[in-house]
Amino acid sequence: GAVVSQHPSRVICKSGTSVKIECRSLDFQATTMFWYRQFPKQSLMLMATSNEGSKATYEQGVEKDKFLINHASLTLSTLTVTSAHPEDSSFYICSARVGFHADTQYFGPGTRLTVL
Amino acid sequence: ILNVEQSPQSLHVQEGDSTNFTCSFPSSNFYALHWYRWETAKSPEALFVMTLNGDEKKKGRISATLNTKEGYSYLYIKGSQPEDSATYLCALDPGGTSYGKLTFGQGTILTVHP
Repeated sequence: GAVVSQHPSRVICKSGTSVKIECRSLDFQATTMFWYRQFPKQSLMLMATSNEGSKATYEQGVEKDKFLINHASLTLSTLTVTSAHPEDSSFYICSARVGFHADTQYFGPGTRLTVL
Repeated sequence: ILNVEQSPQSLHVQEGDSTNFTCSFPSSNFYALHWYRWETAKSPEALFVMTLNGDEKKKGRISATLNTKEGYSYLYIKGSQPEDSATYLCALDPGGTSYGKLTFGQGTILTVHP
């Protein structure tokens, strides 16, 4: 149980285009999902917290207008990278927890974004 | 900002060896420490969540301890197998209003040679 999927697993796009990444909890409802990214040779870094039915909260230094997060249902959160540039190339990964007070987070397999 | 350090960065062991690695963090207030195992092209797998000083948890051949007073956690693998090869991540959950906002270390890459 507690499986999280992400789609797509890999995407290559041209500079200036927008890319949407989906994060789904397959066998549980997730009121809260988290989005992280990882640049080469660095740690996973939290970008934002996605709450079902409300606005996402962003970490310092993460542009909310560039990284649009929508958590419209209890099983789906989407991250849209708008007007992507080469510096947005990174590994994006989401996580979800089973309940608001559940400590364990379950991760998706991640999405490799390459912006040309 | 919490600073989470893991050591060593990478480790090569022979099948059957037991091994351990370290996660260090400021021994200040935090809610929980997480360990994950991350195999290439897969989702990170949750191993342990520990909250109390002196916590010890075990899952098969893998165990972990937590010392919040001195700011470290150890992960042990007994009798390593090639399938244990993965990146092992630790992460701190600060709790409170930042509950769930994990700060990760850079990971320890373990390679177990047959």
